Amino acid sequence: GDSVTQMEGPVTLSEEAFLTINCTYTATGYPSLFWYVQYPGEGLQLLLKATKADDKGSNKGFEATYRKETTSFHLEKGSVQVSDSAVYFCALDNAGNMLTFGGGTRLMVKP
Amino acid sequence: DADVTQTPRNRITKTGKRIMLECSQTKGHDRMYWYRQDPGLGLRLIYYSFDVKDINKGEISDGYSVSRQAQAKFSLSLESAIPNQTALYFCATSEGPHRASGYTFGSGTRLTVV
Repeated sequence: GDSVTQMEGPVTLSEEAFLTINCTYTATGYPSLFWYVQYPGEGLQLLLKATKADDKGSNKGFEATYRKETTSFHLEKGSVQVSDSAVYFCALDNAGNMLTFGGGTRLMVKP
Repeated sequence: DADVTQTPRNRITKTGKRIMLECSQTKGHDRMYWYRQDPGLGLRLIYYSFDVKDINKGEISDGYSVSRQAQAKFSLSLESAIPNQTALYFCATSEGPHRASGYTFGSGTRLTVV
């Protein structure tokens, strides 16, 4: 079946550092790919998405490119802020709107 | 008001008690989901419903039941709560079936079974 694998956290960075959170997936066909963010005490919010190979999703300074050849969708941000501290989930949808989630990666940004 | 509202936000209950978690939405979405979140395990699907007359089990449905009272309401019940059901529970909706539509999540219910 479909699966999503994320790098384990926590990831601890200083403010203004470059962020990469790795995400790889296993799926048949051509899934849509998503990044969700969960701030402390809140539910998950859609951060960005990409629906086909080579698409780049972007939002709030975050970016991720759909790489079919490497089955990856790594999340990047050039300069993180303390307010970016949260848990990030990679997910795919391959069967008509049923999301499969990765295990989540906690990001901690220190001033 | 939030698009997806979960009640209660926090609940402590005793082993063996029956408890209901409620979810209501103003998105007008047909599809609703219940997930459980445990530390280090991400989200796991408990039940989902694609319309009022459609209920489906997810990967971890044992010990849970659901009721879809209306398009806007989807409740999750723990028939006889046990400590390993202590977790954060999320309701979500989607407009589906398009693969790119994504989900809208509620803020979660933190359940502790003692």
